[in-house]
Amino acid sequence: GQNIDQPTEMTATEGAIVQINCTYQTSGFNGLFWYQQHAGEAPTFLSYNVLDGLEEKGRFSSFLSRSKGYSYLLLKELQMKDSASYLCAVTNSNYQLIWGAGTKLIIKP
Amino acid sequence: DTAVSQTPKYLVTQMGNDKSIKCEQNLGHDTMYWYKQDSKKFLKIMFSYNNKELIINETVPNRFSPKSPDKAHLNLHINSLELGDSAVYFCASSQGEASGANVLTFGAGSRLTVL
Repeated sequence: GQNIDQPTEMTATEGAIVQINCTYQTSGFNGLFWYQQHAGEAPTFLSYNVLDGLEEKGRFSSFLSRSKGYSYLLLKELQMKDSASYLCAVTNSNYQLIWGAGTKLIIKP
Repeated sequence: DTAVSQTPKYLVTQMGNDKSIKCEQNLGHDTMYWYKQDSKKFLKIMFSYNNKELIINETVPNRFSPKSPDKAHLNLHINSLELGDSAVYFCASSQGEASGANVLTFGAGSRLTVL
């Protein structure tokens, strides 16, 4: 089967750094996405990785290791508004998008 | 201007009723999708249309029928609603069809509650 695993919930402190991990097992690989979803809202695109390595975009960075089937999303200088669910999704060889259940990130003052 | 708009935002109805959710995108995208997000927060693809043609039709009951009158619109009609249909339904669109890099733009969601 195909699956995406990520922690259900994480807690971090305002101003700190948090890393959200995602491991995947899919039939082929054509890219990995991270989306942010605030409670009661739509998911919004954060990042896309298709090659190994780190992609940095402001306070957010995303890392990919295709050989390990692993990615992480790194959030720096956490702000209260970063409290949200973070969804990992992988495009497989048939260009189907396989979604994880999301990691709920709680930021405390 | 809202990029992907869907109506209604909330829908409360009785079992056995028929209801529709409408979706429109003004991004000029070629592909539109319907996703279901249940209480466990998994996003499940239901249907995908590319230029008005059905390209993905996952295993959903045939009580669910999508309709795409043009590439900017994808509506979802549900017959004989059941309790298990309660969920948030998201419409989304993307630039192209088969590409690993297709970024999805989602609508705000339609929360359906079946009593």
